[in-house]
Amino acid sequence: GENVEQHPSTLSVQEGDSAVIKCTYSDSASNYFPWYKQELGKGPQLIIDIRSNVGEKKDQRIAVTLNKTAKHFSLHITETQPEDSAVYFCAASPGGGADGLTFGKGTHLIIQP
Amino acid sequence: EPEVTQTPSHQVTQMGQEVILRCVPISNHLYFYWYRQILGQKVEFLVSFYNNEISEKSEIFDDQFSVERPDGSNFTLKIRSTKLEDSAMYFCASKLDGVYGYTFGSGTRLTVV
Repeated sequence: GENVEQHPSTLSVQEGDSAVIKCTYSDSASNYFPWYKQELGKGPQLIIDIRSNVGEKKDQRIAVTLNKTAKHFSLHITETQPEDSAVYFCAASPGGGADGLTFGKGTHLIIQP
Repeated sequence: EPEVTQTPSHQVTQMGQEVILRCVPISNHLYFYWYRQILGQKVEFLVSFYNNEISEKSEIFDDQFSVERPDGSNFTLKIRSTKLEDSAMYFCASKLDGVYGYTFGSGTRLTVV
């Protein structure tokens, strides 16, 4: 089955700086790579996703890059703000249909004022 | 914005008791999922449900677990005889046909004592 590794487990950055979180996956059949933000006491919220037919996708301060050959994908957050503080999870799945997501272990992002 | 609603938000049950976790997916979504998250760990896929039947299930989803869509709006997860290790946050999710992104509910925290 799929295995998703996520690094780092904790990331502390100064407000205004950029943050990068990296994930690797093992199953070459995976084609869909979402990123979720989880705030305390809440469910995961989809913030951006990418499919394997593109290498990069951007939405305002958030971007995701995908390298299918190397089986890794990354989340980039620029101009970080205090409200970006949360746990971020990457995930992978074959995509579409009823396929379940395989999640990474999460990164606790701390934005220092 | 449409939401996935889960009830109760917190349930405490005695070991060996049956418990039913309830979810109301977004009304026009067709795929439904249950995930769990043990405290401090990653989100784990349990089961997906489409067209009134289970589509995919993980190794965690053994004979103690069952899912049901008893009417047009609810989606339930039943654990027949709870164990201490079933203590976790359980998330319901749903998605539209033909799209990749899920919407998660806020979760039910199950505590088995």
